[in-house]
Amino acid sequence: DGGITQSPKYLFRKEGQNVTLSCEQNLNHDAMYWYRQDPGQGLRLIYYSQIVNDFQKGDIAEGYSVSREKKESFPLTVTSAQKNPTAFYLCASSIGAEHSYEQYFGPGTRLTVT
Amino acid sequence: AQSVTQLGSHVSVSEGALVLLRCNYSSSVPPYLFWYVQYPNQGLQLLLKYTTGATLVKGINGFEAEFKKSETSFHLTKPSAHMSDAAEYFCAVIIWGTSYGKLTFGQGTILTVHP
Repeated sequence: DGGITQSPKYLFRKEGQNVTLSCEQNLNHDAMYWYRQDPGQGLRLIYYSQIVNDFQKGDIAEGYSVSREKKESFPLTVTSAQKNPTAFYLCASSIGAEHSYEQYFGPGTRLTVT
Repeated sequence: AQSVTQLGSHVSVSEGALVLLRCNYSSSVPPYLFWYVQYPNQGLQLLLKYTTGATLVKGINGFEAEFKKSETSFHLTKPSAHMSDAAEYFCAVIIWGTSYGKLTFGQGTILTVHP
């Protein structure tokens, strides 16, 4: 089955540690996205990538970093510089940037930092 | 600037009753509009979308929405609620840049269905 996988489902870290969230897709999509979800705030775009080896900041990129070395993978690193990292993180993909409105979402990773 | 406002963070209905979730948008250009559904601790699933053409769009699970340009609205409806409809619903609008369209989401509406 084609789809997007995110691992792990739940992640716990101590404050001051960097943590990397995995996102893999086998849909052969060119574009991938990372969102952060907080209660009552909808989804906010962190980073997006239209093609391999290219990515752009979204609305709330501070304290996060990404890489796009392979078409299938778009990992997100939450750095110690992110002031409030506890949230639900969602990865998505689309066929291409021109079809960015047809985004398919992964199941999400809930990150808790204490 | 384009934005999306969902009226009511929580909506509660009885099973079998009409579901109405409200969404208003602001856009300087013709919008593309979407409704997504999210079940607890899961990702988002596209319910329906409006891009061009017929203003009444039908989606999955018996939902539909009507684009009303004069009211800048895209309200989501379902004639008869089912217990399985309990979830959070997000309205979204696409904001087009030079080559990339960014989805902007509303704050979400949690739908509760009681027996």
